[in-house]
Amino acid sequence: EDKVVQSPLSLVVHEGDTVTLNCSYEVTNFRSLLWYKQEKKAPTFLFMLTSSGIEKKSGRLSSILDKKELFSILNITATQTGDSAVYLCAVESHSGTYKYIFGTGTRLKVLA
Amino acid sequence: KAGVTQTPRYLIKTRGQQVTLSCSPISGHRSVSWYQQTPGQGLQFLFEYFSETQRNKGNFPGRFSGRQFSNSRSEMNVSTLELGDSALYLCATTFMGGNNQPQHFGDGTRLSIL
Repeated sequence: EDKVVQSPLSLVVHEGDTVTLNCSYEVTNFRSLLWYKQEKKAPTFLFMLTSSGIEKKSGRLSSILDKKELFSILNITATQTGDSAVYLCAVESHSGTYKYIFGTGTRLKVLA
Repeated sequence: KAGVTQTPRYLIKTRGQQVTLSCSPISGHRSVSWYQQTPGQGLQFLFEYFSETQRNKGNFPGRFSGRQFSNSRSEMNVSTLELGDSALYLCATTFMGGNNQPQHFGDGTRLSIL
């Protein structure tokens, strides 16, 4: 059965800290891995990763994929209170039809 | 352009009732997926519609059903509601689904069953 596992489940840090969120997966017919940020409402798209070893970067956020070891990490440097959210990892699989399998998320709280 | 619109935002029902939720995709998006989100379970895939056809289905009972209209708007129906159906229901849309396209989510409908 396809599965996506995120760790840690929750994390509390102080402003300015650097955090690393983990996502491991066991999915047949992998197509891509996606990261989303969910505050109170709709998850918003952060990154899509399809190739190993290529870092995607946006401001203080960056992410990388390892397709051999089947995991991805999301790094946030110099955290701010506005980074407090649930971070979701999803894997797109395509076996005839496509589907997205989501992890349960990592809840990040950044204290001032 | 306008984002994904879900209505209603909140809904309170009692056990045994039925409910219909609506999702209007981003203009031009033809694939609509529905998810149930509960604490501890994350996002669970319900089904996906493309060009008015259900193309993919998750592991939910037949009480959960959906449809898509010619303008790509989609509705989800849950019959004979149970307490465990209390959740945030999210829809997500893409142009045609898959093909390494990120899904765009609506704000969800929060359904509470009393």
